[in-house]
Amino acid sequence: DAKTTQPTSMDCAEGRAANLPCNHSTISGNEYVYWYRQIHSQGPQYIIHGLKNNETNEMASLIITEDRKSSTLILPHATLRDTAVYYCIVRPTGRVNTGNQFYFGTGTSLTVIP
Amino acid sequence: DTGVSQDPRHKITKRGQNVTFRCDPISEHNRLYWYRQTLGQGPEFLTYFQNEAQLEKSRLLSDRFSAERPKGSFSTLEIQRTEQGDSAMYLCASGDQFPYEQYFGPGTRLTVT
Repeated sequence: DAKTTQPTSMDCAEGRAANLPCNHSTISGNEYVYWYRQIHSQGPQYIIHGLKNNETNEMASLIITEDRKSSTLILPHATLRDTAVYYCIVRPTGRVNTGNQFYFGTGTSLTVIP
Repeated sequence: DTGVSQDPRHKITKRGQNVTFRCDPISEHNRLYWYRQTLGQGPEFLTYFQNEAQLEKSRLLSDRFSAERPKGSFSTLEIQRTEQGDSAMYLCASGDQFPYEQYFGPGTRLTVT
């Protein structure tokens, strides 16, 4: 599976947009980009995923560059409750006879500042 | 609440004892995963079930670890002869078909003294 690179930590002011970058320069054509977050002492929470097109849901937006070598997760109006570790994961989907499990890195620790 | 549940949430045990954790997945999900997470690291895959069949195991799953999903519903993870290095958060996740996103439970934090 393709490796991802994320900054170790970031700060964001409350109410501002949080833009979390992820580099996945070795991504393959059949690999999706997934984002999860983990609030302290809780299990990871699914945020969003995408293949080529930009995606938006009630939690966030995912912007994938045209060459698919990097992406940005956008939290449009960060709140204190968005303080968490954010994981960017690249994974093939639909492989036969596998669990399609995730391989997490160490993620980006986002701190939202009042 | 129809999310993934895990029991117990915390377990403290002495080295050498056996422990068992339970995971109840989202009811309609046929895929169930166990992960382990140590401090400062992301979760690491341990094993995967599709219905009652255990289809994949990580090399992290030593012979002291065993997992079952007897009726394709809840799952148990047992660690025999616990060691201090087993201290970690044990996470369970369940999922369905394409695109195979997973929904995680709150985890069981194990401390081996």
